[in-house]
Amino acid sequence: ETGVTQSPTHLIKTRGQQVTLRCSSQSGHNTVSWYQQALGQGPQFIFQYYREEENGRGNFPPRFSGLQFPNYSSELNVNALELDDSALYLCASSGRELADTQYFGPGTRLTVL
Amino acid sequence: GNSVTQMEGPVTLSEEAFLTINCTYTATGYPSLFWYVQYPGEGLQLLLKATKADDKGSNKGFEATYRKETTSFHLEKGSVQVSDSAVYFCALGSSGTYKYIFGTGTRLKVLA
Repeated sequence: ETGVTQSPTHLIKTRGQQVTLRCSSQSGHNTVSWYQQALGQGPQFIFQYYREEENGRGNFPPRFSGLQFPNYSSELNVNALELDDSALYLCASSGRELADTQYFGPGTRLTVL
Repeated sequence: GNSVTQMEGPVTLSEEAFLTINCTYTATGYPSLFWYVQYPGEGLQLLLKATKADDKGSNKGFEATYRKETTSFHLEKGSVQVSDSAVYFCALGSSGTYKYIFGTGTRLKVLA
């Protein structure tokens, strides 16, 4: 069974640029959630996708957007990057039920200069 | 709103010492509770979970009991090892939102 994978591992961008992060969900999972983890902090929920539609969103501006594809993989897009967007971006996949645990990928480390 | 509060670290222990990391929560309804562990440079790994009151989650010698009366989910291990050095996160998953709410994390350092 393949776990959650994310790409790229590391990324360096400059302010104002746009970035796309990718996530492949674990086999059998149909829900993908994205989190932002700033240095020394706990992860913060960005949004969740289920059946290719956004299913919930945290307190992040519209320049954070996403997609989910028919194979349940997902993308996180961030436009107009700001210095404060520097963080570890974590993807988690799970089934549809509340009791279905979220399993996390290794993350993408984004640095904005 | 829902929230999770963890004891601040770092926690420094000698090998074979007893570990307790406190976690309390505020939530409406009946949340599920989780402990995740993060090793340096890595993502989060599920350590254990409990989905209803009085459930005990356990894994790799770690245990935590879901206490509704005290709204707590403290993590314990009887004898820590150097390899347990990591950051531990308590998290809450509540109905209706499907998002997890995490504490700020507790860094554990175990000395040989």
